[in-house]
Formats: sequence, structure tokens, C-alpha cells
Amino acid sequence: SQQGEEDPQALSIQEGENATMNCSYKTSINNLQWYRQNSGRGLVHLILIRSNEREKHSGRLRVTLDTSKKSSSLLITASRAADTASYFCATDDGGNTPLVFGKGTRLSVIA
Amino acid sequence: NAGVTQTPKFQVLKTGQSMTLQCAQDMNHNSMYWYRQDPGMGLRLIYYSASEGTTDKGEVPNGYNVSRLNKREFSLRLESAAPSQTSVYFCASRPQGTGELFFGEGSRLTVL
Repeated sequence: SQQGEEDPQALSIQEGENATMNCSYKTSINNLQWYRQNSGRGLVHLILIRSNEREKHSGRLRVTLDTSKKSSSLLITASRAADTASYFCATDDGGNTPLVFGKGTRLSVIA
Repeated sequence: NAGVTQTPKFQVLKTGQSMTLQCAQDMNHNSMYWYRQDPGMGLRLIYYSASEGTTDKGEVPNGYNVSRLNKREFSLRLESAAPSQTSVYFCASRPQGTGELFFGEGSRLTVL
């Protein structure tokens, strides 16, 4: 089964800096999604980008998708301590098949 | 709306004991999923139900059974728990077979 692989595994930055996380996957997709997980909590959906889209914005989040390279990136601008969490990409190939998650990037934002 | 509700939140079992994790959603979603999360492994799919009346195996189904009781409820059963099943279990749902997932808060299971 295809799987997103996030890079880096862990990232530590200062408050106010930008954070960039990358995701690579193996086969064709219908869409790619990013989720956030605070410690001890369930995952929360952040943003979905379809295979025919190249870039999408939501507040301080910017997601890009390059289907030729089978990769996506999540940029969080002007990070805050409250952004400290794990971030997961998930691929959806459509056709009623389940999402497949990567192993996540653990982001620490230091105040 | 409560969203996706999982019970229990915490459970400790002895090897060989059985238990059922319950999941209910109040969003009228067709598809429901059970994932397990282990350190360094991300989320792995155990079983899913694309619609009421259907269930399918995911990546790691061994040692588990599921029941889609009705459109709202999807339970996960461990018939004979093993230490390797110590994990955090997440139930999720979505309106149909594509789109964003809505997750419960997780059930933390320890098997001694």
C-alpha cells in the first residue's frame, strides 16, 4: 500500500519562524491531506489538496503538491508555541479506499 | 454534536483477556475506520467499514475483529489480548469513501 513519508521526523524552531514539513508518496493519488495531533489527543484535519491543485492556503498554512515528484510540503508561517504538535500527511487514492498515513513530523515551537 | 466518541479511554488487560472498544459517530457518516498508533510507526489501519453492512481488513487485522452494528457504531474486539496489542487505538469516520477523516480522542490499551 502507498504511504506518505514525512521529513524531517522532528523539527525544533523559535516562535515567529516558519516551519516546513515535507511528504513523499509512492503512487497516484486523488488527494493528499495534512493532519495535526496534539499530545495525547486525536488527529485533526488541517487541509486537503486535490491532485489537480498545486498550492492551497488556509490561514497561516500553505500546502503545495507536486504530482510529478510525488511530494507535498506544509508550511506554517509565523509559528506559535501553540503550533507544537505532530503533523501527518495522508494519501487518498479515491475509489472508496482508506487514507494511508505517514509516520509524522514532530514540531516543537520554542517561545 | 459530539462527533466521534470512543470508549473506554483507558484500559489495562492481562494477556489472554478479551475486550471490545466501542466507537460511535453522530454525523451520519457512511465510512468508519479503526487505526492503531504506535511510537515511530504512525497510524496503521486495522479494519474499516466503507458503508453499513460491510467490513474489510486493513494493514494489520490479525488478532482483531470488528462489527458495524449500525450506521453510527463500529466496534473493535480483541478476542485474546497480547502484549503486542498495547497501543493507542483511534476510531475515525467520514461521510463517504473520500474526503477528510474525523477522529475520536483515542483509547489507550495496555496488555500486561
